[in-house]
Amino acid sequence: DAKTTQPPSMDCAEGRAANLPCNHSTISGNEYVYWYRQIHSQGPQYIIHGLKNNETNEMASLIITEDRKSSTLILPHATLRDTAVYYCIVRVAMYSGGGADGLTFGKGTHLIIQP
Amino acid sequence: GAVVSQHPSWVICKSGTSVKIECRSLDFQATTMFWYRQFPKQSLMLMATSNEGSKATYEQGVEKDKFLINHASLTLSTLTVTSAHPEDSSFYICSARVRVNQPQHFGDGTRLSIL
Repeated sequence: DAKTTQPPSMDCAEGRAANLPCNHSTISGNEYVYWYRQIHSQGPQYIIHGLKNNETNEMASLIITEDRKSSTLILPHATLRDTAVYYCIVRVAMYSGGGADGLTFGKGTHLIIQP
Repeated sequence: GAVVSQHPSWVICKSGTSVKIECRSLDFQATTMFWYRQFPKQSLMLMATSNEGSKATYEQGVEKDKFLINHASLTLSTLTVTSAHPEDSSFYICSARVRVNQPQHFGDGTRLSIL
């Protein structure tokens, strides 16, 4: 799986949009970009994923550049509860069984929402 | 939807005892479940992949005789830490997914402390 690079920490004011960047310059054509977050002392929470098109759900938006070498997770109106470590993970698409698609977590970005 | 329940949430026991942790998918059937471990101030590390009805696949460096995994049904996987020692103290987290290329959904983790 391609390596990802994220800033170790970011601050964002409550109510503003939080934009979390991720660099995955070695991504290949069949690799998805997944975003998870982990609030302190809890299990990770799935946020969103995409292959090449931008995606939006009730939690966030995922913007993937045209060359797919980077992406940005956008939390449109950050709240204090969004303070967490955010992980950008690239994972190859699998077209057969076996199920050997465990996730490789990097260090992520510690997002701190300031009141 | 996609709720994963993990039990117990925390356990303290004496060195040499065995501890069983349960992971259940509550509202979906999970052909594959995953077990991760997280030490303080570190990222999650994949320990093993568990496919229903077959033997688990362990990551390099994880002792299969020490960390016994059973995935006897589509909604339940168990991890037994045998003859636990203080160095096994960690945060153990399971995840489950419906099929390949779909997001993994995580339990809230089990904090294991061996005295």
